[in-house]
Amino acid sequence: DIQMTQSPSSLSASVGDRVTITCRASQGISESLAWYQQKPGKAPKLLFYGASRLQTGVPSRFSGSGSGTDYIFTISSLQPEDFATYYCQQYYRSPVTFGGGTKVEIK
Amino acid sequence: EVQVVESGGVLIQPGGSLRLSCAASGFSVRDKYMSWVRQAPGKGLEWVSVLYSAGSTYYADSVKGRFTVSRDDSKNTLYLQIDSLRAEDTGVYYCATATGYPSTLDFWGQGTLVTV
Repeated sequence: DIQMTQSPSSLSASVGDRVTITCRASQGISESLAWYQQKPGKAPKLLFYGASRLQTGVPSRFSGSGSGTDYIFTISSLQPEDFATYYCQQYYRSPVTFGGGTKVEIK
Repeated sequence: EVQVVESGGVLIQPGGSLRLSCAASGFSVRDKYMSWVRQAPGKGLEWVSVLYSAGSTYYADSVKGRFTVSRDDSKNTLYLQIDSLRAEDTGVYYCATATGYPSTLDFWGQGTLVTV
């Protein structure tokens, strides 16, 4: 199975800050990477697919990039509603696998 | 509007069995690849199984032989039969739609809690 390693596992930032989360795959995944947002007690929500393609309706302050084994998720200006846990997921090879998550807390 | 609603989660003893349901509306389950994903308390997401639109099924190694995914097209509902339950099966079980497998998981339900 492809292992997905996310970092950091948690972070605390202020409204307006730029936030960056990284996700590393144990092998190249050809940008077959998705990012999800999960708020407490809620279902995950798909934000990105293809590493950088924004899902319809997702605010443009979110962005994704990367290739090969290394991927980055960025929130350009953190908003209070962005308090959540973010997960990366590879879908290059079965079984799909997720990173361990990054909990974003608002200072 | 696309909606999936999971149900069937309970508190159950190890070794028991249960069946989770995922009732869909706004689309037909037979037209989608439907996955189950679980989340242990305070932990991350773990893919469990997928039912292809054509009917094939696949499972994570950790549940193979104990979990069975199926659907009832007349009820537009996906099921997950779980046998020989173990403590490590405890968690919230989500169903999610996809257009293929492996693929992104496009739309998720709110989940149902299984406690073993």
